[in-house]
Amino acid sequence: GQNIDQPTEMTATEGAIVQINCTYQTSGFNGLFWYQQHAGEAPTFLSYNVLDGLEEKGRFSSFLSRSKGYSYLLLKELQMKDSASYLCAVRDGKLSFGAGTTVTVRA
Amino acid sequence: GAGVSQSPRYKVAKRGQDVALRCDPISGHVSLFWYQQALGQGPEFLTYFQNEAQLDKSGLPSDRFFAERPEGSVSTLKIQRTQQEDSAVYLCASSSAGDNEQFFGPGTRLTVL
Repeated sequence: GQNIDQPTEMTATEGAIVQINCTYQTSGFNGLFWYQQHAGEAPTFLSYNVLDGLEEKGRFSSFLSRSKGYSYLLLKELQMKDSASYLCAVRDGKLSFGAGTTVTVRA
Repeated sequence: GAGVSQSPRYKVAKRGQDVALRCDPISGHVSLFWYQQALGQGPEFLTYFQNEAQLDKSGLPSDRFFAERPEGSVSTLKIQRTQQEDSAVYLCASSSAGDNEQFFGPGTRLTVL
């Protein structure tokens, strides 16, 4: 089966940096995804990693270490609109999601 | 352009009723996925279509759940004899051939009383 772990909640201050960790144990691996989901809305794609290393996209960066079964999503210069749930997902044919990390940005 | 649309957005059913949930994927997307998302959880995979072929239905929780995509575009997820544990948001996603990104619809929130 698939086991994907991420913290349940994180709180940070506007303008700060937050790092959301994700560890996974899956039977196969063909890429790791991060999605953002605001309450009551659909998940939206943030990033994709299939090789080890850091992928940077504006204020968001994602890192992958396949040997460690580990990824993180880094959110810089936090804004109030970044308050949302962040979902880590591993693809092994199909996508398997973690339970999500609720990030609350405070003024 | 239009994204993935789903209807209805909200559905309330009495226990034992049958329901049908519709998904209109992005035009031209060959892959279509259904997920079930319980409150406070991540989406759980239900089934996957490539064009009209259902390639993976391993996530369907019981034989009360049935999905089809007869013409390779619109898809319907049917739940027969609904139970309270079926209450969840049902998400549909589509992607184009060779694309890593899945585009999600807004979901249908099903409440079974």
